[in-house]
Amino acid sequence: DQQVKQNSPSLSVQEGRISILNCDYTNSMFDYFLWYKKYPAEGPTFLISISSIKDKNEDGRFTVFLNKSAKHLSLHIVPSQPGDSAVYFCAASAGYGQNFVFGPGTRLSVLP
Amino acid sequence: EAGVTQSPTHLIKTRGQQATLRCSPISGHTSVYWYQQALGLGLQFLLWYDEGEERNRGNFPPRFSGRQFPNYSSELNVNALELEDSALYLCASSLARGGGQPQHFGDGTRLSIL
Repeated sequence: DQQVKQNSPSLSVQEGRISILNCDYTNSMFDYFLWYKKYPAEGPTFLISISSIKDKNEDGRFTVFLNKSAKHLSLHIVPSQPGDSAVYFCAASAGYGQNFVFGPGTRLSVLP
Repeated sequence: EAGVTQSPTHLIKTRGQQATLRCSPISGHTSVYWYQQALGLGLQFLLWYDEGEERNRGNFPPRFSGRQFPNYSSELNVNALELEDSALYLCASSLARGGGQPQHFGDGTRLSIL
């Protein structure tokens, strides 16, 4: 049973446009969410987080939106740059003392 | 600040052998996590250690085991290696126990079983 889903295995976007990566979860106990970016042959790099007490968090070009009722979160990258081309993972945790569950990832390609 | 370091970078073994992978967390981090990423798949949670204790383990057989040392570094041991154990093994560390703090990853150990 996959508790964290990223239903788009891949996404292509033109440079300068918005990239929207989606993530759905099934466990209503999840209350802390992370997004990671991963380049080939490197470990995942932490991008941005959001806790369930918020519905939006911004950090530069990256914004994460959380819709608790829909059990859905999304990562917006504006404007998209070729260096953003990577695999993006969302991860969720049920809070203190609980480990993270990762989604399968979405491969983003930003075309020049 | 030094990041999470893992060794070796690559490890080649044959079926039935045993493999030991090592991880040094970021200074001050007490929690260490191990993940397996097989080719084309996402990160599968293996083990989580905090303050020297195993806190949780994923859905893997007992031949996957590990430990955390007093300096918070960690080892992952895989016994009786099978071909399907070929994967990238990632270690991560965090400040606090479990959720509420982001995990920071090393670059992984690529384990190849021949």
